[in-house]
Amino acid sequence: DAGITQSPRHKVTETGTPVTLRCHQTENHRYMYWYRQDPGHGLRLIHYSYGVKDTDKGEVSDGYSVSRSKTEDFLLTLESATSSQTSVYFCAITASGGYTFGSGTRLTVV
Amino acid sequence: AQKITQTQPGMFVQEKEAVTLDCTYDTSDQSYGLFWYKQPSSGEMIFLIYQGSYDEQNATEGRYSLNFQKARKSANLVISASQLGDSAMYFCAMREGRGADGLTFGKGTHLIIQP
Repeated sequence: DAGITQSPRHKVTETGTPVTLRCHQTENHRYMYWYRQDPGHGLRLIHYSYGVKDTDKGEVSDGYSVSRSKTEDFLLTLESATSSQTSVYFCAITASGGYTFGSGTRLTVV
Repeated sequence: AQKITQTQPGMFVQEKEAVTLDCTYDTSDQSYGLFWYKQPSSGEMIFLIYQGSYDEQNATEGRYSLNFQKARKSANLVISASQLGDSAMYFCAMREGRGADGLTFGKGTHLIIQP
C-alpha cells in the first residue's frame, strides 16, 4: 500500500464546521494528491503537492485548502463544510511512474 | 471536452467470458500514460495495468491486457476468462506529460459478472 494512511476513515460533520482530513505517507514521496469521488464523476483532483509548502490547485479546488508542512503529511481542509462536499476522499502518491491510493475517507456533511 | 471517456456505465457478463471495457482519451501531449484501476465494493483503488504512449506492444498483466490503438486514441481493457471476483467498478485514467499534476479519470464502468 506504499505506506499511505488516511485519517479518519469515516466522518460525519455538520454544515458550516471546519474539517481536516489527513494523509500520511512513510516513504518520502515528493508528490501527493487529494481526489474526491462522487457517483457518476469518477475521481476528480482537488489539490496536489510537489514538495513541502509547494501546492497547487486541481480541477475542483473551490472550498478546499491544503497544507504540507512535512514531507510525510498532506492535509486537506474544508474551511466551512457544505452538503455538496459529502464524498469519498482519496489521497494518492506517485512513485516510479505509478500512482498508489490510500483507503479513502468517507465524509458526510449533514 | 472530456479527457477520458468511458461509454459503458454498466455491463453484465457471464462468468468465464472475455470482457472488453472501452476507454477513449484526448490529449495533445506526445508523452502520456494510460492506467486502469479496479474498485471493488470495499472501496480501495487497485492498480491493474499501465500503457505508455511510446510502448510499441500492448501491455499485459495476467488475465488483463490493454488494447492500445494510438491513432484512435483508445485504450480498452480486456479481461480474459472473467470470474465472479471481477465484479467491480473499473476506471480508466491518463497521465499527461511527466504526470506531476496527477491522473485524470473517466467516470467508470460498473462490471457485474453473472454465474
